[in-house]
Amino acid sequence: DAKTTQPNSMESNEEEPVHLPCNHSTISGTDYIHWYRQLPSQGPEYVIHGLTSNVNNRMASLAIAEDRKSSTLILHRATLRDAAVYYCILRDGNAGNMLTFGGGTRLMVKP
Amino acid sequence: NAGVTQTPKFRILKIGQSMTLQCTQDMNHNYMYWYRQDPGMGLKLIYYSVGAGITDKGEVPNGYNVSRSTTEDFPLRLELAAPSQTSVYFCASSIARGGVSNEQYFGPGTRLTVT
Repeated sequence: DAKTTQPNSMESNEEEPVHLPCNHSTISGTDYIHWYRQLPSQGPEYVIHGLTSNVNNRMASLAIAEDRKSSTLILHRATLRDAAVYYCILRDGNAGNMLTFGGGTRLMVKP
Repeated sequence: NAGVTQTPKFRILKIGQSMTLQCTQDMNHNYMYWYRQDPGMGLKLIYYSVGAGITDKGEVPNGYNVSRSTTEDFPLRLELAAPSQTSVYFCASSIARGGVSNEQYFGPGTRLTVT
């Protein structure tokens, strides 16, 4: 399985943008890039996913490098409620729908 | 919709006891999954099901069994509880169209302690 590398933790100030990086240098052409987040004491929550092009939704934006070896999840204005562990996951489009979670990035948001 | 519900929320088992973790979804999703999450770690897939009557092993299936007799329910059974099974268990579901599922919906989890 293609692996992802994320920083263990990041800090942000409230109401400022946050850029969460993810490296996936061994990504294959059929791998989708998924982001989930897990708030304290809750189950993971889907955030966004993409294949090649940048994606936007109501929660976040996903910027994918041209060579697809890295991606960045962008929270446009961090709130205290965005404090969570963010997981960057590669899903093989040809191998079913399994998700392999790594350690993720713990985002701390300061008021 | 209630989404994905799990019972119980918490449970303490003695070594060697058995129990069933219940999971129900009301979204008519065909795919269902069981994960476990050890402290400070990411989730690991135990078992999954692509539809009623079909189940398959994930990354860490040893010590667990599942069944999928209906679309809605996907119980996870621990036959002989061991301390290594102390963990938080999450059930999830997704809908797959053409074999592709983009978003998994997770339940709130069951915190299990085996002593």
